[in-house]
Amino acid sequence: DVKVTQSSRYLVKRTGEKVFLECVQDMDHENMFWYRQDPGLGLRLIYFSYDVKMKEKGDIPEGYSVSREKKERFSLILESASTNQTSMYLCASSFTRVGEQFFGPGTRLTVL
Amino acid sequence: KNQVEQSPQSLIILEGKNCTLQCNYTVSPFSNLRWYKQDTGRGPVSLTIMTFSENTKSNGRYTATLDADTKQSSLHITASQLSDSASYICVVSVQGAQKLVFGQGTRLTINP
Repeated sequence: DVKVTQSSRYLVKRTGEKVFLECVQDMDHENMFWYRQDPGLGLRLIYFSYDVKMKEKGDIPEGYSVSREKKERFSLILESASTNQTSMYLCASSFTRVGEQFFGPGTRLTVL
Repeated sequence: KNQVEQSPQSLIILEGKNCTLQCNYTVSPFSNLRWYKQDTGRGPVSLTIMTFSENTKSNGRYTATLDADTKQSSLHITASQLSDSASYICVVSVQGAQKLVFGQGTRLTINP
């Protein structure tokens, strides 16, 4: 059974804090993605990675960075959290670059 | 501009009734179209994928249709159940660009 796990389901941080969101997949997928999901806006791509140590900007990368040191792990970093980064964050992985994406359960981040 | 528009934004129906969700896209060149189901507090899960040559595809009580000429897809749910309450997201793949375009989703509520 395929599985994508995210380190936290709920997270509350203060403005200015550095935030790490971790994602791990056990399907040996090369492709991994980070999205944020907001009401009325749907899923928006933040960053993606097609291989270890490789990263590409998505549609809304500002204020975020990522790290992919191992194939199974893709981390999203908020260098200095701001209130407008309060959102649901979803990680996904896929076998091919535009194939079916397998999503984690999401992390609901609140920045106060 | 590549876009995916879903309608309605939200829908409430009684258990046992049928419903149809719509997805219109302007993506070109088209590769394939997926419908995802997202339960509250969970990540999206793929329901079905349709390529250019496919008109209809079923997955249990879910039937997806595709009209590549008019660039429209629909997801029909038969004999709805309470467990069908979820958001349904239409995702179109851009051929050659290795890019996915997400719709904003339709929030479906099934009432007993």
